[in-house]
Amino acid sequence: DSGVTQTPKHLITATGQRVTLRCSPRSGDLSVYWYQQSLDQGLQFLIQYYNGEERAKGNILERFSAQQFPDLHSELNLSSLELGDSALYFCASSLQPSSYNEQFFGPGTRLTVL
Amino acid sequence: GNSVTQMEGPVTLSEEAFLTINCTYTATGYPSLFWYVQYPGEGLQLLLKATKADDKGSNKGFEATYRKETTSFHLEKGSVQVSDSAVYFCALTLQGGSEKLVFGKGTKLTVNP
Repeated sequence: DSGVTQTPKHLITATGQRVTLRCSPRSGDLSVYWYQQSLDQGLQFLIQYYNGEERAKGNILERFSAQQFPDLHSELNLSSLELGDSALYFCASSLQPSSYNEQFFGPGTRLTVL
Repeated sequence: GNSVTQMEGPVTLSEEAFLTINCTYTATGYPSLFWYVQYPGEGLQLLLKATKADDKGSNKGFEATYRKETTSFHLEKGSVQVSDSAVYFCALTLQGGSEKLVFGKGTKLTVNP
């Protein structure tokens, strides 16, 4: 158990819908990362937050947005869903943003868009 | 750009066999290198890391050496166990840059008794 929790574990929804994925980082970790894992694209970085502020952005679609709240939990919002958005979404956290630090991953949320 | 290339899987070995999973990288700056492991139905766990040239990361019998001259970080284990069956990801972050992990495509390892 990494200490990072993600809810829900599974999500099944229809095209055009909007969903929210939630992540609670390890106690004391200030930085949160979101990654998408799909069969065709592999593991791709989406976005990073540090202490409530956006710190880095990756290949995140405009239909997707995220935020980190004062209690440091984070939410990833996916809207106007398409079939191609079906994937496993991971949240990770680290104590401080550093290229040396380990990122601790949650168990993921599996999103299926029908 | 920055990228990681891993050997294509899947890899199937018998218990106690020697394991090598090749990983090479391309980086615009000085990278830190990582191996993560993903067991079925779980998130990724850090297996080992190295942050400068010639460093060797090791954990649970696995080893990898940061080779700057060949831009490689190959994963090795002398004697694999059934419990090592998982997907292994090589990854990098850029020192002084964004802390995002850039992953290889992953190599699925199956170890048979």
